[in-house]
Amino acid sequence: GQQLNQSPQSMFIQEGEDVSMNCTSSSIFNTWLWYKQDPGEGPVLLIALYKAGELTSNGRLTAQFGITRKDSFLNISASIPSDVGIYFCAGHDAGNNRKLIWGLGTSLAVNP
Amino acid sequence: EPEVTQTPSHQVTQMGQEVILRCVPISNHLYFYWYRQILGQKVEFLVSFYNNEISEKSEIFDDQFSVERPDGSNFTLKIRSTKLEDSAMYFCASSEDHGEAFFGQGTRLTVV
Repeated sequence: GQQLNQSPQSMFIQEGEDVSMNCTSSSIFNTWLWYKQDPGEGPVLLIALYKAGELTSNGRLTAQFGITRKDSFLNISASIPSDVGIYFCAGHDAGNNRKLIWGLGTSLAVNP
Repeated sequence: EPEVTQTPSHQVTQMGQEVILRCVPISNHLYFYWYRQILGQKVEFLVSFYNNEISEKSEIFDDQFSVERPDGSNFTLKIRSTKLEDSAMYFCASSEDHGEAFFGQGTRLTVV
């Protein structure tokens, strides 16, 4: 099935560093969502984006909806140990808003 | 804060048995979903449900699967005759519209 290209696959950083990850699609998307998943838990919504060019922040997290509508990035500034987890991008293809298409996730490890 | 709740948190069942996974979506939401995640892999869409009927289903959602909203609050996923490869985390999600989807904590299904 359709999926998003999410990169990097994993990151290992020092506490305090900034992090950037991104997702690209082969088709135009109407919605981009960024989720964080801790082991054994459900995905937790971090940021939702609805318009091309939209830049939205949630604390130390910032995400943008690419102007081509085929990509999005998530930045985490000044990482802390509790940022550890898997970050997923997801979105609604412009041709079908009845299901979310998912990236494969970025696994983030933070060294205190 | 409203949340999606799922029961049970963990279900172990013998191959060939029927299982019912239960979800209580957020009360004012109109769209309901089931996703699954095989350990260490991406989140996969199973089915979306709106206005008391399935609006979209994936190729995974074959005749062994069914969903029901038996009353005003519950949303269930039934697997008629479980197979070993059905072992996964099953997530229920709900949304107010075709935008932000909020996920439950998941049910870990183990088929032995």
